Amino acid sequence: GDSVTQMEGPVTLSEEAFLTINCTYTATGYPSLFWYVQYPGEGLQLLLKATKADDKGSNKGFEATYRKETTSFHLEKGSVQVSDSAVYFCANAGGTSYGKLTFGQGTILTVHP
Amino acid sequence: NAGVTQTPKFRVLKTGQSMTLLCAQDMNHEYMYWYRQDPGMGLRLIHYSVGEGTTAKGEVPDGYNVSRLKKQNFLLGLESAAPSQTSVYFCASSPTGFSYEQYFGPGTRLTVT
Repeated sequence: GDSVTQMEGPVTLSEEAFLTINCTYTATGYPSLFWYVQYPGEGLQLLLKATKADDKGSNKGFEATYRKETTSFHLEKGSVQVSDSAVYFCANAGGTSYGKLTFGQGTILTVHP
Repeated sequence: NAGVTQTPKFRVLKTGQSMTLLCAQDMNHEYMYWYRQDPGMGLRLIHYSVGEGTTAKGEVPDGYNVSRLKKQNFLLGLESAAPSQTSVYFCASSPTGFSYEQYFGPGTRLTVT
């Protein structure tokens, strides 16, 4: 079945540091890939997405490229801010009609001033 | 426009008690979902609905029931709560199954003692 594996956390960085959170997936067919973010005390919200191989999703300075050859969708940001502290979830969606998402376990990011 | 709302925000139950969690959305979305979030396990789908009057099982449906009598509401019931159901529960909605962008509520933290 479909699965998503994220790098072990938590991740602690200083402000303006470079961020990478690794994500790899297994899926049948041609999945769409997503990064969701959860700020403290809130529900998840979509950060970015990519729907086909080699697509790059981007939002708020975050980027991720859909790499079919390595089945990866790593999240990157060139310069993190304290306000980026949150839990980040990678997810994939298979070729079904009801939009079922399979989530990774989440990575806690803490950014210090 | 409130988006997705959940009630209650917190609840403590004793083993064997029952309760219903209410999810409401005002975006006229067809698809609705119930997830549970446990540490280190990401989000797991409990039940979902592809339209008013329909429900289907997700990844971890045992011990839960759902109903979607009105398009805007999706209820999650626990008939006989168990400590293993201690979790944070999230409701989400999506305009269609193909969009895959899900809009999440703020969550309900449930503790079963």
